[in-house]
Formats: sequence, structure tokens, C-alpha cells
Amino acid sequence: GESVGLHLPTLSVQEGDNSIINCAYSNSASDYFIWYKQESGKGPQFIIDIRSNMDKRQGQRVTVLLNKTVKHLSLQIAATQPGDSAVYFCAENAGNQFYFGTGTSLTVIP
Amino acid sequence: GAVVSQHPSWVICKSGTSVKIECRSLDFQATTMFWYRQFPKQSLMLMATSNEGSKATYEQGVEKDKFLINHASLTLSTLTVTSAHPEDSSFYICSALNPQGGGYEQYFGPGTRLTVT
Repeated sequence: GESVGLHLPTLSVQEGDNSIINCAYSNSASDYFIWYKQESGKGPQFIIDIRSNMDKRQGQRVTVLLNKTVKHLSLQIAATQPGDSAVYFCAENAGNQFYFGTGTSLTVIP
Repeated sequence: GAVVSQHPSWVICKSGTSVKIECRSLDFQATTMFWYRQFPKQSLMLMATSNEGSKATYEQGVEKDKFLINHASLTLSTLTVTSAHPEDSSFYICSALNPQGGGYEQYFGPGTRLTVT
């Protein structure tokens, strides 16, 4: 089956610092990637997406980088805030299916 | 933005009973919806893909007779957990594909926590 994995299961950052969450994917045919944020007891929330014809996409305080050569995806959060504390999942779209990584728990230290 | 709701948000039931969970797309029509389950501190596991007007496609290892999915309209899909057992206790999340986004944008519901006693 497909596999999408994260390098770091947990990440702690100081408030105001930048956070980088990494993700590896295995299907070179995947053409769409998404980052989701999930707070405790809630459903995943869309953060940002990127298509395979792009290397970088920026949103508000977030940037997603895609390296298709090494099948690597990263999410950068600028000036991390306490409200950013959550579990972050990457997902890849292969056909009409979405495959999720295991998740990284981000903790922001005030 | 697109909104997906789920009902109920939390349900506690006795072992052997059946539970129905509803997933609704509130401001768009979704021909395709997905059902996931999530155990604590784990990722989402796709259970099935629900297409309006046709039978759901189940992932390997998911019992279709135990997890009944009905997608009778473009805004509603239901998941019924039949003869629930304690091991079915989990967080069930649905999502819907918004066709306006080229069919790629997937919006998630808030989840339903099922506790089987």
C-alpha cells in the first residue's frame, strides 16, 4: 500500500520561533499534497496544499515545500504561536485516494 | 469555506447495539465522501469511499457488513456500526470532496467519538 511517513513524531518549539515539520511519501505518481492540523478531539483542518507541478507554496505564516526528487514534503510555520500546538498530518493524493502520514505532535512552549 | 458536519459528536452505546453516524456537506454537493477511523495518538485510517448513488468501496480489512455506508444524497452519507463491540470504540471522521476545487479539496467533519460499553 501507500506509505506517507513523518520523520519526527514530536516537536517542541519556543513561542515565536519557526517550526519545520517533515514528511516523506512513497508514491511518485502522487500529484497533490495537503497538510492538515488536528487539535485534540477535533477533525483535521486543512492548512495548505501543493500540487506536484510546484516546489513551494506560501500561505499565511505557513509555507509548504515539495521536493519530488527525494519525495519529501515539509511544512514551515513562521513565528509559532501557542495556538499552533496540535498534531500535523501530511497527506498525498494518489488517484482518488488520500493517504495520511502518522502525524507530528507540535508543542509550543510559551 | 466548505463545511462538513457530523452527528452525533459523541455516542455511548451498549455492546451489541447499532449506531448510525451522519455526515453532511452543508454548503456544497459532494458526490464523494470518505469515512475514516482514528485511534488515540494515531493517524487517520481510511475505511471506505462513499459515492452518491452507488455502493461504497471498502478498504482491505474493513468489514462491509459491519460498517454499513449509505450515500443517498449529494449532501448526506451515513455510517452504521452494526452490533458494536468495545473494540469498535474509536473516533470516526468523515470528509467530503468539494467538486468546485477540481475534485481535490477534501473537507473534514468534526468527528464522532464512539464509545461501546
